[in-house]
Formats: sequence, structure tokens, C-alpha cells
Amino acid sequence: KAGVTQTPRYLIKTRGQQVTLSCSPISGHRSVSWYQQTPGQGLQFLFEYFSETQRNKGNFPGRFSGRQFSNSRSEMNVSTLELGDSALYLCASSLGAGDAGELFFGEGSRLTVL
Amino acid sequence: EDKVVQSPLSLVVHEGDTVTLNCSYEVTNFRSLLWYKQEKKAPTFLFMLTSSGIEKKSGRLSSILDKKELFSILNITATQTGDSAIYLCAVVGWGAQKLVFGQGTRLTINP
Repeated sequence: KAGVTQTPRYLIKTRGQQVTLSCSPISGHRSVSWYQQTPGQGLQFLFEYFSETQRNKGNFPGRFSGRQFSNSRSEMNVSTLELGDSALYLCASSLGAGDAGELFFGEGSRLTVL
Repeated sequence: EDKVVQSPLSLVVHEGDTVTLNCSYEVTNFRSLLWYKQEKKAPTFLFMLTSSGIEKKSGRLSSILDKKELFSILNITATQTGDSAIYLCAVVGWGAQKLVFGQGTRLTINP
């Protein structure tokens, strides 16, 4: 079965712009999580959605937001981009009925902010 | 605050060597510890450990958890160049919907 699909794979933006990233989970998975990966900070949790509801949010500013649709697809948005937002954004899905467990990751969206 | 520390951060060995990667953690209401391998982009799942002292094994890879001392190790025997990757350790607590990751160990296997 198809894995987690993220689009776009690569994008370049300038400071002050906004960006929207998309994630399609594995069929049947209802939980979608987003993580930011940078060389300095490693993988950091952004937020998690289950059945269109945000269940948990990491320590990121309000410029980072997300949502989940009824088909479990998810989007995250970053507004007023800063240089420090350059990172690999990873989406992960799981069945999600309970606590976080084995997550299946997508290939990521590599964002470069100039 | 939940925390995961991995060591070493970087390791270079020759093909055929055996390596041990370390992961120590602090987490509220520990539920599971997970190991992932990240080669290019997507981390891929290796093991999930919940019980102390029970070794999980998959081919040349094995892992064990010590809940009393709050650490886990990942062993790779007879390493191959294809084992070169970043190995990530993560923990999750009961009632949490997020994994807390360590910085990762970058393993390089030279032929």
C-alpha cells in the first residue's frame, strides 16, 4: 500500500512569505503528525491531528499552523517566514486510536528560506 | 520536560565491525522507546521497546531497554556499508500523541 506522501518535496521562499505543505497519510491512518528537522535541533514535534482535531501542539510560535481534512489529509502552514524556518518538514501517520506509537514518515518537504 | 540524549553523535567504523549506539531518556509516564533509521529522508521504523530486559532482534540489529537506568542500546553486528545512516531514538509517554527524539547518531561504515 502507498506510503505517506508529502508535497512539495523542495521549495524555496523568501523572508516574509508564507508556505503551505501537504501530507497524505497511509490509507486507513487517521493520525497525522508534523515534525521539523534541522541540523542543530534534530527532530522537533510541531503538532498532531486525529479526526480533524489537533490533539497536541509543540513549542512553536503561532506562525506555524495546521489542519486536517475529513479524508485525513493534512496541511501545515508557516506564515511570515524567517531564515530559521529553513528545515526538513516531516509528516508521519499512524492508526492513531491511542497514544503515539510506531509512526510512518514521509520523505519530507525541504524548505529553504532566503 | 521530556528529554532524549544519544551518544555518540557521530561514529565511523570499518565494515564488519560491531557497533553499539546509546540512548538515555527522561520522560513523564514512560510508555515506549523507539528506534528509527534515517538514510536519506524518511526515518524508517526499527524497534519499539516497552518492557525492560527483553531484547528485540531483527537480523544483525538488536536493541534492549533498561527502564530502571532509563536507557536503551542499539547493537549492529557485522556492519555493512548499507548500515550507514542516522539512527534516531525517541520516547513517548502515556497519554501523549508525540514522540520526543534525540539528536541522532550519524553512523558511517567504511569499506
